[in-house]
Amino acid sequence: GAVVSQHPSRVICKSGTSVKIECRSLDFQATTMFWYRQFPKQSLMLMATSNEGSKATYEQGVEKDKFLINHASLTLSTLTVTSAHPEDSSFYICSASRGLATETQYFGPGTRLLVL
Amino acid sequence: LAKTTQPISMDSYEGQEVNITCSHNNIATNDYITWYQQFPSQGPRFIIQGYKTKVTNEVASLFIPADRKSSTLSLPRVSLSDTAVYYCLVGDRDNTDKLIFGTGTRLQVFP
Repeated sequence: GAVVSQHPSRVICKSGTSVKIECRSLDFQATTMFWYRQFPKQSLMLMATSNEGSKATYEQGVEKDKFLINHASLTLSTLTVTSAHPEDSSFYICSASRGLATETQYFGPGTRLLVL
Repeated sequence: LAKTTQPISMDSYEGQEVNITCSHNNIATNDYITWYQQFPSQGPRFIIQGYKTKVTNEVASLFIPADRKSSTLSLPRVSLSDTAVYYCLVGDRDNTDKLIFGTGTRLQVFP
């Protein structure tokens, strides 16, 4: 149980286009989902926290108009990278939590984004 | 949020026990300690979580002293497939609070 999926697993796009990444909790309802970005040989950097039905909370330095997050249901959160540029190329990872006292966060497999 | 400090890297050989220590001097009363493993181009995978003393599962053991200002992840008899980055995180147990990843420890296991 507690499986989180991401789609697509990798995407290549042209500079200036928008890319949507989906994060799904397959066998549980996620009250909270988190989005991270990871550059090569670096740690995960938290971008934002999203709760179902409310606006996402962005970390300092993360542009909310560029990284649009929608948590429309308890099993789906999406991250849209708008007007992508080569510097947005990175590994994007989501995680989900049921918010229960005995639970940890469950991470998706990640999405590799390459902007040409 | 409590900050964590770990060694940047460690080397080991197959069959040896590996102990990775994490410092978290500012851990709060409600905080739990969680360790994750990450392979290249994959999301982190939960290894173990604990609050105090010792926790053991089929994969690892976690030792936490009484003052809880540090913790040690113990991997028994490592294999080549244990080569990965290991992250120590501290946070409230319901985990609706955000997790802040530190640098992690890059473990390299040699044959």
